[in-house]
Amino acid sequence: RKEVEQDPGPFNVPEGATVAFNCTYSNSASQSFFWYRQDCRKEPKLLMSVYSSGNEDGRFTAQLNRASQYISLLIRDSKLSDSATYLCVVNMGVFGNEKLTFGTGTRLTIIP
Amino acid sequence: ETGVTQTPRHLVMGMTNKKSLKCEQHLGHNAMYWYKQSAKKPLELMFVYNFKEQTENNSVPSRFSPECPNSSHLFLHLHTLQPEDSALYLCASSQEGTLSAGSYEQYFGPGTRLTVT
Repeated sequence: RKEVEQDPGPFNVPEGATVAFNCTYSNSASQSFFWYRQDCRKEPKLLMSVYSSGNEDGRFTAQLNRASQYISLLIRDSKLSDSATYLCVVNMGVFGNEKLTFGTGTRLTIIP
Repeated sequence: ETGVTQTPRHLVMGMTNKKSLKCEQHLGHNAMYWYKQSAKKPLELMFVYNFKEQTENNSVPSRFSPECPNSSHLFLHLHTLQPEDSALYLCASSQEGTLSAGSYEQYFGPGTRLTVT
C-alpha cells in the first residue's frame, strides 16, 4: 500500500461546480496533514492545513477522518484559477523532525 | 515569490559531467531539503539538513552528494548521472520545532529542471 494515495485524475469540472478529492494514508500514527497546490511547471505551495475538526478557508474545506485514514478537500464555486494539481501531504515525522510524505497529486482542470 | 531561490533553473548535462545545484533560503529557517519530482511520481525526499546537519538520507545513490555550509545554503553536487535521473529537483526550507504542528509549512524553491543526456 502506498504511504499516501490519491486519484491522479484528471478531473475536468465546469466553472462554478463543486469538486471533491479524497486521499488515504497508511501510517495511523501520522499527526498532521496538508493540501498543497502545484501549478504547471511551478513549485508546490501550501494551500491549507487539515485539522481534526475540519476547517474551511473561503471556498475550500478540508476534512480529516482518522478512523478511516483519509483526508478530503472540497472546492465550491470553482474558478478557472483553481486549475492545478492538488497534492495530499502527510507529516509522518515527529515534532522537531518533521517528514512530509507527498501523494502523486490530483490534477484539476476547470472548464469555462 | 517565495523566499527560496534555486540556480540554475534548467540544466542539461552529459553522463560524465560534474555539476552542482544551488539553493538559498532567505526565511531564517533551520531546516532544508532536497526533493526529486519525476513525471507521474510523488515528490521523493532525498536529503534533510536540520541545523546544518544531515538528518536523513533516503537511500540516494552516491552520485548525488549534498552539502550544507550554513543554514541558508544548500548544494547538490552531481556526477556521473544516469538518464533516469532527469527530473525536477526541488529545494525546500522550514522551521523545525514549530510549536503548532498544524502550522508547519515547507517553502519550496522554483526547482531546477535537469536533463541527463
